[in-house]
Amino acid sequence: GQNIDQPTEMTATEGAIVQINCTYQTSGFNGLFWYQQHAGEAPTFLSYNVLDGLEEKGRFSSFLSRSKGYSYLLLKELQMKDSASYLCAVREVNYGQNFVFGPGTRLSVLP
Amino acid sequence: DSGVTQTPKHLITATGQRVTLRCSPRSGDLSVYWYQQSLDQGLQFLIQYYNGEERAKGNILERFSAQQFPDLHSELNLSSLELGDSALYFCASSSTGNTIYFGEGSWLTVV
Repeated sequence: GQNIDQPTEMTATEGAIVQINCTYQTSGFNGLFWYQQHAGEAPTFLSYNVLDGLEEKGRFSSFLSRSKGYSYLLLKELQMKDSASYLCAVREVNYGQNFVFGPGTRLSVLP
Repeated sequence: DSGVTQTPKHLITATGQRVTLRCSPRSGDLSVYWYQQSLDQGLQFLIQYYNGEERAKGNILERFSAQQFPDLHSELNLSSLELGDSALYFCASSSTGNTIYFGEGSWLTVV
């Protein structure tokens, strides 16, 4: 089985930095993914970690600690367009190499 | 544009009816995934196919079935529809499994 937790909602100010946490419990872990989803739209890929450490991609960075079952997504220089849901997903090998998604964190960026 | 095509984009049907949702994966992708997203809910994994064969099954109801054809397109069949089946149904595809790319989704409303 698998269990993925994220905060339900977060609020931040334009230009600030926000960190969205994700904890997971799973067997056959084979990667942690972050997706962004605007309401009513398709999720779009942001970032991917398979080894421990930080992956940086422009204003977005993602961190993984496999021993702690923990990841975070860091968004810098927040813009209004960053208001969206952020989905943490675990790829599992013993689940058909499948992607299991967390409940998502709804981020509101305020002016 | 992710390259994953889903039809129809919107569908309204009555309880008890049957519908078919269609997905064309990105060129070259062998894996197809189906997800259900109800209002304000996370992405729920339904089923995965790889090169025509069922690879993994999630919480898919017995009233629902899917298949992947030799040309790699996939169809999700939903029968004996209930009001609670109203949701956004996403198809996603992958080649190596390093990430999955989502289509725009099919909005199903059951009345």
